[in-house]
Amino acid sequence: DQQVKQNSPSLSVQEGRISILNCDYTNSMFDYFLWYKKYPAEGPTFLISISSIKDKNEDGRFTVFLNKSAKHLSLHIVPSQPGDSAVYFCAARINAGGTSYGKLTFGQGTILTVHP
Amino acid sequence: KAGVTQTPRYLIKTRGQQVTLSCSPISGHRSVSWYQQTPGQGLQFLFEYFSETQRNKGNFPGRFSGRQFSNSRSEMNVSTLELGDSALYLCASKVDRFYEQYFGPGTRLTVT
Repeated sequence: DQQVKQNSPSLSVQEGRISILNCDYTNSMFDYFLWYKKYPAEGPTFLISISSIKDKNEDGRFTVFLNKSAKHLSLHIVPSQPGDSAVYFCAARINAGGTSYGKLTFGQGTILTVHP
Repeated sequence: KAGVTQTPRYLIKTRGQQVTLSCSPISGHRSVSWYQQTPGQGLQFLFEYFSETQRNKGNFPGRFSGRQFSNSRSEMNVSTLELGDSALYLCASKVDRFYEQYFGPGTRLTVT
């Protein structure tokens, strides 16, 4: 049962353009969402996050949008750079009654390639 | 601040053996979680430790276990290894009141 889905296995973008990575979820109990970037032979690196009470969060070139009614979030990277080429994972955390338990549910990842 | 460290980085074991992996969290982080990454299943949560207690567990068999020490360092153990246990094992740490987890480089386990 894949509760967090990234339906695009790969995305190819030209340097300087916008990259949009999408993620859908099925569990309405998720209350916090995170994006991670992963290079080969390294662990995932935290990029940006958003609480379910917000619909947008921005950090430099990275913006995450959350549409709760559609159970959809997206990560926008503007402008895209060749160094952004990596696997991007979205992850979600279930509301556990006010606790900060650490279990994250991950999507399968999207391979982003930014061409110079 | 030093990041999450994991040792060893690479490991080759034979079916039936057991293995212990180690994780040192970021200084001040008391929550440590473990994940398994495989090509077929993606990143899956194994368990989380906080203050030397397991407080969250994923859907893995009892062959997978862990523990946490008073300095927040954590180990995970896999007994009676199976070929399907070949994976990248990732450790992540976080400050308890926040949700963002910070990952180590992982231990690549190959079972032959």
